Amino acid sequence: AQTVTQSQPEMSVQEAETVTLSCTYDTSESDYYLFWYKQPPSRQMILVIRQEAYKQQNATENRFSVNFQKAAKSFSLKISDSQLGDAAMYFCAYRSAQETSGSRLTFGEGTQLTVNP
Amino acid sequence: DTGVSQDPRHKITKRGQNVTFRCDPISEHNRLYWYRQTLGQGPEFLTYFQNEAQLEKSRLLSDRFSAERPKGSFSTLEIQRTEQGDSAMYLCASSRSPSGANVLTFGAGSRLTVL
Repeated sequence: AQTVTQSQPEMSVQEAETVTLSCTYDTSESDYYLFWYKQPPSRQMILVIRQEAYKQQNATENRFSVNFQKAAKSFSLKISDSQLGDAAMYFCAYRSAQETSGSRLTFGEGTQLTVNP
Repeated sequence: DTGVSQDPRHKITKRGQNVTFRCDPISEHNRLYWYRQTLGQGPEFLTYFQNEAQLEKSRLLSDRFSAERPKGSFSTLEIQRTEQGDSAMYLCASSRSPSGANVLTFGAGSRLTVL
């Protein structure tokens, strides 16, 4: 079974600074997808960024980028120019590429990000 | 398209009562998922449907839990004889299939408090 680990329960960053959230995962599969989801307080979870394991290039979405290290099974999220609206719980998630898995996500425990003005 | 809708947003019940949650997915999504999220934890998979067929159930889904998706549209999650340990946020998500890199779109969740 796949597992996802986020070793930082809480992180804080100053507004306009850069912060990196860590995620490691364990799998025996070679083809899969990785995601970062953001869950603001009392609001729904939304996708921040996704990475296909077969792609060597790291995904980037505006101020959000990932450092995907397949051999190390590491998938960190970098948030540049942090904004107050980035404050939320961030979840790393894994999904197998095999259709038999039904596309279900396996989530980490989450990292609570605080952005200080 | 208004996204994934869940109802009610919050339910408070006494131990032993039955509760039912409803999820309306994005209309063109044929896959629907239920997750449970306890405070400070990541969501845990419960079950998923492809159209009206329930294709997988987690071992977390005890006999007191039942989910349906009649006609492949909305879904209900019923918990019978609730226990305090059932207190959690119940999240619904939907997606297209085949999935590829398709993203799960989540609803805002239904929070259950069992007294």
